Amino acid sequence: DGGITQSPKYLFRKEGQNVTLSCEQNLNHDAMYWYRQDPGQGLRLIYYSQIVNDFQKGDIAEGYSVSREKKESFPLTVTSAQKNPTAFYLCATRLSGETQYFGPGTRLLVL
Amino acid sequence: AQSVAQPEDQVNVAEGNPLTVKCTYSVSGNPYLFWYVQYPNRGLQFLLKYITGDNLVKGSYGFEAEFNKSQTSFHLKKPSALVSDSALYFCAVRLGSGTYKYIFGTGTRLKVLA
Repeated sequence: DGGITQSPKYLFRKEGQNVTLSCEQNLNHDAMYWYRQDPGQGLRLIYYSQIVNDFQKGDIAEGYSVSREKKESFPLTVTSAQKNPTAFYLCATRLSGETQYFGPGTRLLVL
Repeated sequence: AQSVAQPEDQVNVAEGNPLTVKCTYSVSGNPYLFWYVQYPNRGLQFLLKYITGDNLVKGSYGFEAEFNKSQTSFHLKKPSALVSDSALYFCAVRLGSGTYKYIFGTGTRLKVLA
């Protein structure tokens, strides 16, 4: 987990509510990623960002939004358009090499 | 389509025995391959990677993996399993050159029995 912080550890969402998951890193890594983990499905890419003020959609971006205003931060908003948000969300970073490093995750539950 | 497959949902092995967790891939170009481990309610921890060079890659905690280009496989191995190795293991591949997107297998749960 190292220098990657995800908060909160657990998050509860009411129907129709937008919620934001935080990802902060002090590793000075350029790239940041958001993945969704569901049982039996592995990790699926939601959004990624190679540099500040730039990001790209992953495979399952619908119902999610991100921003990358600072190198250290890559928050993920789960909007009300995401009808099945219950999952474990993982943030990852990458410096200039190939290896990704993961944060501890946030578990999102729907009330 | 580019993909990563982990054909076994679960692998059981007795403590002290060798273990193998299988991974096969289908990507265009030279593959960049990774293994990660996940303990319950935690993030993924990097174990090892293959980029180029020797087909046998050594990583953390005594794990190693063998790259086999002809069989498009990258199986994870350890000579002697520990109970503490019990966890969820993911194989991943980076897609093509010029992109830093990765795809992950569905994971294999390793259970080491005392």
